[in-house]
Amino acid sequence: DTGVSQNPRHKITKRGQNVTFRCDPISEHNRLYWYRQTLGQGPEFLTYFQNEAQLEKSRLLSDRFSAERPKGSFSTLEIQRTEQGDSAMYLCASSEQTSGRNNEQFFGPGTRLTVL
Amino acid sequence: AQSVAQPEDQVNVAEGNPLTVKCTYSVSGNPYLFWYVQYPNRGLQFLLKYITGDNLVKGSYGFEAEFNKSQTSFHLKKPSALVSDSALYFCAVRDGNSGAGSYQLTFGKGTKLSVIP
Repeated sequence: DTGVSQNPRHKITKRGQNVTFRCDPISEHNRLYWYRQTLGQGPEFLTYFQNEAQLEKSRLLSDRFSAERPKGSFSTLEIQRTEQGDSAMYLCASSEQTSGRNNEQFFGPGTRLTVL
Repeated sequence: AQSVAQPEDQVNVAEGNPLTVKCTYSVSGNPYLFWYVQYPNRGLQFLLKYITGDNLVKGSYGFEAEFNKSQTSFHLKKPSALVSDSALYFCAVRDGNSGAGSYQLTFGKGTKLSVIP
């Protein structure tokens, strides 16, 4: 396993449609994160999993967004009733679990969503 | 709340010259600081981190960063820039003392580095 993978890499959808993205973390990493990045901005935190448990959710994660990690391996991020403001790059990252919070996160290539 | 400021949207430097990309942070507890680089159409790549210890940390591709607690800064440096260093650089912070156990990173807006041949 060479890194975090994300699928699809690009998604174009019409406003009001639902979309789902997948993230496969580095195999030995049990922490998984979702971020959103818009043009000219740094990534913004959306949510975090430790194994299958979703432990943190940002206020950016509206009720149209849902993330799952059912078996503690891959994760999915679903956006329902997409809006044009959802257009962004969605980044997934993973990290190892240690007693501290000092481990770096390794990022995937991202899924670029365009809502027409 | 934690925040990161990267005051320069773009930095231009001639190949072979030293480069500095600036970063200041704000966090209530002990700062855990990170630098990432992003090439076009690719994800963020980890460069280096400061957790504790020596204020000068060394990372990938010859980059280093200096932690300055009094100035709340964590500037990225390289003694001799390469054209291939041209990319978007992000500074990020996490609160190491967060009682809630927050693992989220807060990123700056990024600095575009252009190394001119």
